[in-house]
Amino acid sequence: GQQLNQSPQSMFIQEGEDVSMNCTSSSIFNTWLWYKQEPGEGPVLLIALYKAGELTSNGRLTAQFGITRKDSFLNISASIPSDVGIYFCAGRTSGTYKYIFGTGTRLKVLA
Amino acid sequence: EAQVTQNPRYLITVTGKKLTVTCSQNMNHEYMSWYRQDPGLGLRQIYYSMNVEVTDKGDVPEGYKVSRKEKRNFPLILESPSPNQTSLYFCASSFREGTEAFFGQGTRLTVV
Repeated sequence: GQQLNQSPQSMFIQEGEDVSMNCTSSSIFNTWLWYKQEPGEGPVLLIALYKAGELTSNGRLTAQFGITRKDSFLNISASIPSDVGIYFCAGRTSGTYKYIFGTGTRLKVLA
Repeated sequence: EAQVTQNPRYLITVTGKKLTVTCSQNMNHEYMSWYRQDPGLGLRQIYYSMNVEVTDKGDVPEGYKVSRKEKRNFPLILESPSPNQTSLYFCASSFREGTEAFFGQGTRLTVV
């Protein structure tokens, strides 16, 4: 099946640093979702985006729906140890109702 | 509390021994689906259900069966498990297809 290109695959950062990750697709999407998965748990929805150019925040997290509708970005400001986990993007193309998931960005925060 | 509950959380079984992983949601969601998660491959959809008695194949349905006799339950059945079905399985539900999904905590299955 189709998959999104998500990068980077992993990141090691110092506590307090800002983090950026992104997903790109060869198809135009009309919805983007960002999830976080912690060890031993299922993915938890962080942010949902529905319009090109949309910028949405959830606490220290900010996500954007790219203008081209083929990409999305997630930023985490002032990272803390509990930000550790795997972050997934998921997108849905126009005319379908099924989400395609990225392969994830593994984030590790060094105190 | 709104939740998706999977059981068991961990399972080790032998090749060929039929097993069922249960999934239940308490949000009255119409849409439910099963995913498997493997390293480097992200989440891949196995089967989904639009409503009671309505199911369809996802991207990787081979070797799996599902049923949806009640709205809240969506069990995943492996009639004859094989080692390549060793994986982390997630059930998810949403109000309808195309809306945000709520995931269960996962079932780690090992087939030896």
